Amino acid sequence: AQSVTQPDARVTVSEGASLQLRCKYSYSGTPYLFWYVQYPRQGLQLLLKYYSGDPVVQGVNGFEAEFIKSNSSFHLRKASVHWSDSAVYFCAVSGANYNVLYFGSGTKLTVEP
Amino acid sequence: AQTIHQWPVAEIKAVGSPLSLGCTIKGKSSPNLYWYWQATGGTLQQLFYSITVGQVESVVQLNLSASRPKDDQFILSTEKLLLSHSGFYLCAWNQNNQAPLFGEGTRLSVL
Repeated sequence: AQSVTQPDARVTVSEGASLQLRCKYSYSGTPYLFWYVQYPRQGLQLLLKYYSGDPVVQGVNGFEAEFIKSNSSFHLRKASVHWSDSAVYFCAVSGANYNVLYFGSGTKLTVEP
Repeated sequence: AQTIHQWPVAEIKAVGSPLSLGCTIKGKSSPNLYWYWQATGGTLQQLFYSITVGQVESVVQLNLSASRPKDDQFILSTEKLLLSHSGFYLCAWNQNNQAPLFGEGTRLSVL
């Protein structure tokens, strides 16, 4: 079965601190992996995507993620968070045709001053 | 530039009433189109996708239906709303190897 697990429902960090949001997936074929961010009462914005190649992918606003096939993980990282990064972050997986996108339950990030 | 527009922005409807939500993509021909539903404070669940005009595939129906009457339009509807239909409805589109990009959503409250 296809699924995405984000084990941390809420994460709180101080401004300027580093960040890691965890994501593990289960997918029977070749996974296409995504991280999206959702600000309150808004749609989703794409942060980054991984299809193949270099397992570390760079995204917008200083975010990056690392694909670790042996661990079925795709954790999101940022070296130094800003208060404006406070939002809900979703990890998602699909196959090459993108017909169905499976989302994790989301991680709510709060950045404290 | 491509734009995605969802309408209405928000709806308050009574249980048992009909519903129609719309999504339009401008600036792209033959996009793939998707509907997602998000329970309040919850994750996203894909409902439907459409690769071409007139063809819609169901992923999870939730007593809803979808149609693609035009290349740039995707409609989500039901004849009778349930309380469980409340939530946030998101339309998305993509082409080729692009990641799906989302609209701003429609917030639905069923009372």
